[in-house]
Amino acid sequence: AQKITQTQPGMFVQEKEAVTLDCTYDTSDQSYGLFWYKQPSSGEMIFLIYQGSYDEQNATEGRYSLNFQKARKSANLVISASQLGDSAMYFCAMGVQGAQKLVFGQGTRLTINP
Amino acid sequence: GAVVSQHPSRVICKSGTSVKIECRSLDFQATTMFWYRQFPKKSLMLMATSNEGSKATYEQGVEKDKFLINHASLTLSTLTVTSAHPEDSSFYICSASQARGQVLAFFGQGTRLTVV
Repeated sequence: AQKITQTQPGMFVQEKEAVTLDCTYDTSDQSYGLFWYKQPSSGEMIFLIYQGSYDEQNATEGRYSLNFQKARKSANLVISASQLGDSAMYFCAMGVQGAQKLVFGQGTRLTINP
Repeated sequence: GAVVSQHPSRVICKSGTSVKIECRSLDFQATTMFWYRQFPKKSLMLMATSNEGSKATYEQGVEKDKFLINHASLTLSTLTVTSAHPEDSSFYICSASQARGQVLAFFGQGTRLTVV
């Protein structure tokens, strides 16, 4: 069975600082994908970034980067130069090849202070 | 990214009535759609997976007669909450994948259901 763990229920960061949101995962599968989604107060789930288990380089998308450490089974999200609009819930998720289902972590509420 | 539209965004219904929620993929054909439920300040809980033209696969503990899912076309899946009760009040959100086996899914805006 797959499991995602996000150990930070809440994070408070000053605007323009970088922030790292932690995510560890557990799976016995060799082929899997790791995702990060942002959920603002409106409720929609916004896809941010994806990392495949066989990708050798860390994924980056604009201000978002994924610090993928396969041996440690961690996939932390790094947001550079945080903005007030980054305040939201952030979910880490994992999908296993062929299974289609996404397993979500508990989420981290990020608050950016001006 | 691909666009998924969910309707309605909010609905209030009386106990005992049924409510239908629609999930549409606007610019791609979704062979697979997923329905999730989210309790306040909690993570998303997968309810069921539906593939176009076949019966939905429900997760353990989800009542299939209570939560009817229909995926009649490649762009539309519906979730009907039958004989709704206050404990069914929740945030329901769908997602859609472009191909079978593809894990990357795009989400709708979600529906907040309140049963009074």
